[in-house]
Amino acid sequence: GQNIDQPTEMTATEGAIVQINCTYQTSGFNGLFWYQQHAGEAPTFLSYNVLDGLEEKGRFSSFLSRSKGYSYLLLKELQMKDSASYLCAPYSGAGSYQLTFGKGTKLSVIP
Amino acid sequence: EAQVTQNPRYLITVTGKKLTVTCSQNMNHEYMSWYRQDPGLGLRQIYYSMNVEVTDKGDVPEGYKVSRKEKRNFPLILESPSPNQTSLYFCASSPYGGGIDEQYFGPGTRLTVT
Repeated sequence: GQNIDQPTEMTATEGAIVQINCTYQTSGFNGLFWYQQHAGEAPTFLSYNVLDGLEEKGRFSSFLSRSKGYSYLLLKELQMKDSASYLCAPYSGAGSYQLTFGKGTKLSVIP
Repeated sequence: EAQVTQNPRYLITVTGKKLTVTCSQNMNHEYMSWYRQDPGLGLRQIYYSMNVEVTDKGDVPEGYKVSRKEKRNFPLILESPSPNQTSLYFCASSPYGGGIDEQYFGPGTRLTVT
C-alpha cells in the first residue's frame, strides 16, 4: 500500500515564496508527480521527478529525496493565480499502472 | 485541439438507474484512467487501462465498470448507482503505455445520485 502525507492547507502572501511538502511510503518507487488544481477545474501537470535533487521550471521548482521518501514543491514570486490545490502522487513503476494521489494541499495566496 | 472530453458534465440521477459517463481523447494515448474526487479524500483512482482491451482496478473500483474497445474511448459505467457514488469524476489519458507519464485530464463530470 501507499501512505502519502501533505499539509491540508497553507496561506502565503503575494510575492513571497512557499514550500509545499509531501512525504510518502510506497512499495516500489519510480518517481513523483506534482499537479495543480484550481477550484472547480481539472488537475494539470506540473512536474515529474525521478532523480534526487531540485528541478526548476520558471517560478516553480520540485525537489525529491528518494532515500527520505520526501518531496517538495517550491513556488516563488507568488501570484494570486497560484491559489489552488497542489497534489503529489508517487509512482511505483515496475510494471504498475496504478497511481495514488495525496489528498492535496490547498494554497491560498493573499494580497 | 488536443483534449480529453467527458459527457455529460453534470448529471443528477436516482438510485439504481444505470448510467454511463463517456470519455474520449484525440491524442492517440495508450493509457486512460478514471478518478473520483471527494472533499477530504482527494483524487482516487477507480479503473485504468493500459491499452485496448486491457483494464485493471484502481483503489476504489467497487460499483463501477469500464471497457476499452477502442483506443480513444474509455466509458465509465455505473450499473446500479447509489448515493455514495455522488462525486466529481475525472477521466485522464497519458501517452506512454509502458508506464505512467504526464496525464491530461478531462473537465470533470459532477454526478449526484439521490
